[in-house]
Amino acid sequence: DSGVTQTPKHLITATGQRVTLRCSPRSGDLSVYWYQQSLDQGLQFLIQYYNGEERAKGNILERFSAQQFPDLHSELNLSSLELGDSALYFCASSGPGLARQETQYFGPGTRLLVL
Amino acid sequence: GQSLEQPSEVTAVEGAIVQINCTYQTSGFYGLSWYQQHDGGAPTFLSYNALDGLEETGRFSSFLSRSDSYGYLLLQELQMKDSASYFCAVRGNLNFSSGSARQLTFGSGTQLTVLP
Repeated sequence: DSGVTQTPKHLITATGQRVTLRCSPRSGDLSVYWYQQSLDQGLQFLIQYYNGEERAKGNILERFSAQQFPDLHSELNLSSLELGDSALYFCASSGPGLARQETQYFGPGTRLLVL
Repeated sequence: GQSLEQPSEVTAVEGAIVQINCTYQTSGFYGLSWYQQHDGGAPTFLSYNALDGLEETGRFSSFLSRSDSYGYLLLQELQMKDSASYFCAVRGNLNFSSGSARQLTFGSGTQLTVLP
């Protein structure tokens, strides 16, 4: 158990819909990262937050957005969903400083299926 | 740009030693990490090399040669539970449409199968 929690574990929805994925980082970690992993693919970096502020953005689609709240939990919002958005979405945390980004602790992931 | 190459599959028997290689191209290299991921599970951090040489953690060791842009993960005394995907990841300067960011780029992963 990494200490990072993600909900829900599974999500099935229809094209065009909007969903919210939630992540709570390890206690004391200030950085939260979101990754997308499609079938047989590596992990694609989406976005990073540090202590409530957006730190870095990957090739995240404009239909996707995220935020980190004062209690450091984070949410990833996916809207106007398409079939190709079906994937595993992982949240990871590191910290407490920015220097330890190489050691990331991953949550169990949310498996999203868009029908 | 940034790219990593690692073999897609490796097979070995229990008790053996296996080496998973990773070559990379990146700008602003900060270090090479290794992660393990069991089927459908979360990636788990294994090791990190920022400087040349070998880092040992139990049955796992990781090596880095910055001049060769090359590293490897060495797994000794293989056990069935080591069957998983192994990803190398490089922390460097990535160029996104939104700008440059110092982030991890993961390789496509090596599927290790340990046979009895």
